[in-house]
Amino acid sequence: EAQVTQNPRYLITVTGKKLTVTCSQNMNHEYMSWYRQDPGLGLRQIYYSMNVEVTDKGDVPEGYKVSRKEKRNFPLILESPSPNQTSLYFCASGPGYEQYFGPGTRLTVT
Amino acid sequence: QKEVEQNSGPLSVPEGAIASLNCTYSDRGSQSFFWYRQYSGKSPELIMSIYSNGDKEDGRFTAQLNKASQYVSLLIRDSQPSDSATYLCAGSRGGKLIFGQGTELSVKP
Repeated sequence: EAQVTQNPRYLITVTGKKLTVTCSQNMNHEYMSWYRQDPGLGLRQIYYSMNVEVTDKGDVPEGYKVSRKEKRNFPLILESPSPNQTSLYFCASGPGYEQYFGPGTRLTVT
Repeated sequence: QKEVEQNSGPLSVPEGAIASLNCTYSDRGSQSFFWYRQYSGKSPELIMSIYSNGDKEDGRFTAQLNKASQYVSLLIRDSQPSDSATYLCAGSRGGKLIFGQGTELSVKP
C-alpha cells in the first residue's frame, strides 16, 4: 500500500529533551516536507526537501532540524523542544508539489 | 497580508447546491495551486491541482485560476453532506508550498 508513515503518532515530552519524529514514504517521491498545524494559524511548512541531501527552510524552521540521507526517509528533529512547539505535525511527500500527507503526530511539550 | 488567503467560513450550503470556495494570493511568482480537503481529525488530502489560467474539471469539482486577478476558486457541484470538511488552498513559490487557513464547508441535508 502506497503511504506516508510517521512515528510516533502521539508524544508528550518535557522542555529541552531532544526528540525525533520519523517519516517514511514508499512511493519513491522526490519531494518531502514537514508541516505544523495550529488553530487559527493553519498549516505552515517547516522544512522541505526536493531530493536526497537537499533540504531547505520553509516558513517556520526555527527550532527544527531535518535530514534527507535516503530518498524514503525525512526525520524531523527537535534538539531542545519548547512549549511553543506543541502542535500537530504532518509529514508529506509527492512527485512535486502535489503532496500526500502522513497521519500526523500530535506533540505536547510541557 | 497573508500570502494565501481564504475566508475561514463556515460556509453552509444545502445538499445538492453548488459550493463556491475562494482563495487569493499575493505573490505573482506563485505558479501552481492546489486544493486539499481535510476532514476533522484527519490529514489533508489532495483533491485538485491547477497550473494554468482557466478551469479544470474533475467529476463534481472544478478549479478555476485567474493569475491576472490572483485568485483561485473551487466549485463543488451537487454538494453532499460527505463534502463537509475544511478546504485548504495552497500555492507554490520557489520550492515552498504555502497554505491558506482553510474554509470550513458544511453541507446540510
